[in-house]
Amino acid sequence: GENVEQHPSTLSVQEGDSAVIKCTYSDSASNYFPWYKQELGKGPQLIIDIRSNVGEKKDQRIAVTLNKTAKHFSLHITETQPEDSAVYFCAAAKPTSGTYKYIFGTGTRLKVLA
Amino acid sequence: EAQVTQNPRYLITVTGKKLTVTCSQNMNHEYMSWYRQDPGLGLRQIYYSMNVEVTDKGDVPEGYKVSRKEKRNFPLILESPSPNQTSLYFCASSWDRNQPQHFGDGTRLSIL
Repeated sequence: GENVEQHPSTLSVQEGDSAVIKCTYSDSASNYFPWYKQELGKGPQLIIDIRSNVGEKKDQRIAVTLNKTAKHFSLHITETQPEDSAVYFCAAAKPTSGTYKYIFGTGTRLKVLA
Repeated sequence: EAQVTQNPRYLITVTGKKLTVTCSQNMNHEYMSWYRQDPGLGLRQIYYSMNVEVTDKGDVPEGYKVSRKEKRNFPLILESPSPNQTSLYFCASSWDRNQPQHFGDGTRLSIL
């Protein structure tokens, strides 16, 4: 069935280092890929997204890359800070029956060590 | 401030006692959705609505109902809750179905 695999499930980095989270999707019809950050006791918050007609997108310290051929996309956070500590979710969305179907990854808990 | 508001934030109840979780957004969004979040399973869509009076099932609709009588509100109804509906629930809204979704802060339901 359709699924999105997300790795790693936990990630610890030193403050100032980079963090990379990877997702692989199964349905080639997926064409929208958002990334969400979820802090404790809060709902997921969109941090960056990418559509299938673009290979890379950057917003300050955050970037996302998409490889449609391999069906995977990655989140890159540079110069990590303690406030980057949170759970990160990827998602792959595809058009279906007049709407969009979202499949979420299982999340990555990122810890930035001061 | 643009936001999606869910109530209650926490609820402990018993099997079979009907409950409603409210969701309201102040962004005039057309698309609204309910998700449940369970450990190891990520977010799974329960129901969605593309506009007033237009709702449809997501991936895990069994045991839930929704309504969309007004654009801003999208309540989730559990007519006869069961323990397997114990979960963290999120409401989300967006301008359109393929636009970034704004999530509420979640409702933690415990069904005993």
